[in-house]
This record gives sequence, C-alpha cells and structure tokens, in this order.
Amino acid sequence: GESVGLHLPTLSVQEGDNSIINCAYSNSASDYFIWYKQESGKGPQFIIDIRSNMDKRQGQRVTVLLNKTVKHLSLQIAATQPGDSAVYFCAEVNSGGGADGLTFGKGTHLIIQP
Amino acid sequence: DSGVTQTPKHLITATGQRVTLRCSPRSGDLSVYWYQQSLDQGLQFLIQYYNGEERAKGNILERFSAQQFPDLHSELNLSSLELGDSALYFCASSTYNTGELFFGEGSRLTVL
Repeated sequence: GESVGLHLPTLSVQEGDNSIINCAYSNSASDYFIWYKQESGKGPQFIIDIRSNMDKRQGQRVTVLLNKTVKHLSLQIAATQPGDSAVYFCAEVNSGGGADGLTFGKGTHLIIQP
Repeated sequence: DSGVTQTPKHLITATGQRVTLRCSPRSGDLSVYWYQQSLDQGLQFLIQYYNGEERAKGNILERFSAQQFPDLHSELNLSSLELGDSALYFCASSTYNTGELFFGEGSRLTVL
C-alpha cells in the first residue's frame, strides 16, 4: 500500500474558521515533507515544506506540524477563505532528497461553507 | 501561472492508438517530470529528465516513453492505448532536484 496517506478524503469547514488537514506517513527515513494544493482544473501548487529535523514551520496563513514520534503531518490553514477550496496533498521526499523520491498521498478535498 | 506549458489540454482517442503530450518547462529549469493522475491511483510519478538525460523512472509502462530535447521541452508518448490509460497527465519542472515542483495544468486524455 501507499506509504503516505490521508485520514479524511473530504473536509468541510466554515469560511473564517481554521482548517486542519492531516496526513500519516510510514517511512521514518524521509528527508522532508511537502504540502501541495490542487485547485479544480489546475496542476498541484507547492504550499510549504518541512524538513525532518523540524517540528513546525509557518508560512502565510499556513502552518505545518510534523510529529515524528507518531509519523504524522498536518497542515493548518488560518481563517479559511473560499479560495482555499482545493484538494490538498501531502508528499514525502526520500531516496536522497530528489524529486524522483517524491511520494504523494491521495489527497483531501477541502470544502469551504459560506 | 506556473510557467510550465502543456499541450494539448484535452485529447480524446480510441483504444490501440498512440498520442504525444508536450511540455515546455519554466525558463531555466533543467528537470522535467511526468506524472499521471487518476481517481483511483492519485498522482503517480512516471519519469524524470534532467538536461536531456533520463534521471529517474517510476511506474511508467513499457507502452509509454518520453524524451527531453536540447531546448529542454519534453514529450510523453503513449502507445497501444487502453481504457485504463484515461487520466490527467501532468508535467512539472524544477530548478533544483528538490520536492518543489512547478506543475503545468495537465493534459486530460480520454481513451474510448
């Protein structure tokens, strides 16, 4: 089976609330982890990444948390907006850090309720 | 706009046929990657080229082949098409060999 997976295929949140998208991974040797966002009709877009020697990284309205003890990754989106509606993929990078070692999870569809 | 251009955007063809998908990477990017996205398999890495040379191979079928030309554009050739080859095919490029890829908008292939 896949080494990277998502807990929920669909997440529905109210506009303005915070969103938390979760991801489990199984390869403890992964070098770093990435979140991608894919809007309808478009290709995936890089959001944020985190190295395996970190446990938290913040971007603009997004925070990624890494818990290596339980092999869990999460993406937090603050004050969710309609433009955040998309499928979010977590991905892990291994095999020396090259993108050929990039493994995508199946994705979580984030739906924003007005 | 990621800067990666893919053509055609949509393609409908019949089983047994052959198609070619084209990708122009971002200016300056030497690496090109091809991914297949289907509903049941998610995003699957097919193959990577770096400056004209094949660098890594993923779950690419023998019926599929790719190449990267001196001007760095890439083509993915799919032959003896089957119904199960219907999917979105994405090209991505990167400056460095990291996980930060820039994806095109994809080519949607429908095999009837």
